[in-house]
Amino acid sequence: GAVVSQHPSRVICKSGTSVKIECRSLDFQATTMFWYRQFPKQSLMLMATSNEGSKATYEQGVEKDKFLINHASLTLSTLTVTSAHPEDSSFYICSALGTSGRAAGELFFGEGSRLTVL
Amino acid sequence: QKEVEQNSGPLSVPEGAIASLNCTYSDRGSQSFFWYRQYSGKSPELIMSIYSNGDKEDGRFTAQLNKASQYVSLLIRDSQPSDSATYLCAVIPNTGFQKLVFGTGTRLLVSP
Repeated sequence: GAVVSQHPSRVICKSGTSVKIECRSLDFQATTMFWYRQFPKQSLMLMATSNEGSKATYEQGVEKDKFLINHASLTLSTLTVTSAHPEDSSFYICSALGTSGRAAGELFFGEGSRLTVL
Repeated sequence: QKEVEQNSGPLSVPEGAIASLNCTYSDRGSQSFFWYRQYSGKSPELIMSIYSNGDKEDGRFTAQLNKASQYVSLLIRDSQPSDSATYLCAVIPNTGFQKLVFGTGTRLLVSP
């Protein structure tokens, strides 16, 4: 089946540093990817919709200058948490919308990236 | 009112019983409904999708949709301890292009 890979799966960083999380569709093309954040015992909250070759669309309340999204190719979207603070510690999950072949119209989730900011 | 509402649980059932998980949604124009299972610390995995009123069965799982009541449910027959997880209801509202809105999830505990 279609696979979405996220990297890194776990990252610990110091407050004030920036962290980049990658989301790759391994065997299909995805012009649209979604970034979610999940705090402990809470549901997934959509942060932004990432579109290949154009600016991301952010959900209300999500700071676009803090959470930088780049979708430079049909198989890769990156989320950069800039100047991270402890309150940014969370589980970040991406999903990719297949646009061709067997994956067309299907949504596939990455494994998630757990960020801990000290 | 939240867009997608679920009872957080936990819902405790004995092994072999039927587990019934419920979800209501606010956008009457929603057309696509999904049930995901999420183990602790892991990403969600799709169990069922349902798009039209009625029941949809897949193995031990049955999804039920009632658009008039804005209600979707998931039945798990012959529950197993390995079914213990959080079950997330997700809806694509009429406003979004494959933009899933998740409920808070119901934690299911199946005891041996």
